Amino acid sequence: QQPVQSPQAVILREGEDAVINCSSSKALYSVHWYRQKHGEAPVFLMILLKGGEQKGHEKISASFNEKKQQSSLYLTASQLSYSGTYFCGTVLLIQGAQKLVFGQGTRLTINP
Amino acid sequence: EAQVTQNPRYLITVTGKKLTVTCSQNMNHEYMSWYRQDPGLGLRQIYYSMNVEVTDKGDVPEGYKVSRKEKRNFPLILESPSPNQTSLYFCASRPGQGSGANVLTFGAGSRLTVL
Repeated sequence: QQPVQSPQAVILREGEDAVINCSSSKALYSVHWYRQKHGEAPVFLMILLKGGEQKGHEKISASFNEKKQQSSLYLTASQLSYSGTYFCGTVLLIQGAQKLVFGQGTRLTINP
Repeated sequence: EAQVTQNPRYLITVTGKKLTVTCSQNMNHEYMSWYRQDPGLGLRQIYYSMNVEVTDKGDVPEGYKVSRKEKRNFPLILESPSPNQTSLYFCASRPGQGSGANVLTFGAGSRLTVL
């Protein structure tokens, strides 16, 4: 049930772009993205609902492809403050109830 | 300030010594949940509660207990801790309905070491 994130880790220089992918083997109701800075709690970034919509937060955007059961997070012109671990959370319908399951995380390091 | 408060933040204990990690939220949220975070495994749900007196198992409930006697509190109990419960624990809550119903607010985390 746990979604698979790729890559597991990525190192960039400030100003470069990154894409983090999240794939599920099951049909998705929605996808959540959270960011956890080192030593801190995860913080909500955005939710994507069915319909392939794209959402944005700062210079971070995401898409959700319902048919492919995957979501991608796009970080444009990355800043030092973007460093951290990114988690996708996929919402499944299990026995009539919505269940949020997190992926294993992608560690993003932005260097000057 | 709206927040989820966990205590203790750090704890070293020995195998078999019962411990409780407290969690309290001041946002009147209906839903509360406990997660453990381990390297390479992400955030895995231990237990959750949809409302007062309603709790249910998550994905990794073995060795843990919870209770929800009041809306604001959701303690995590380790009756007989073992070394494989050494982990970083997060409590989280969300409204459950209305705007932002599914947005989780996490506590700062509790790092537990069982020797």
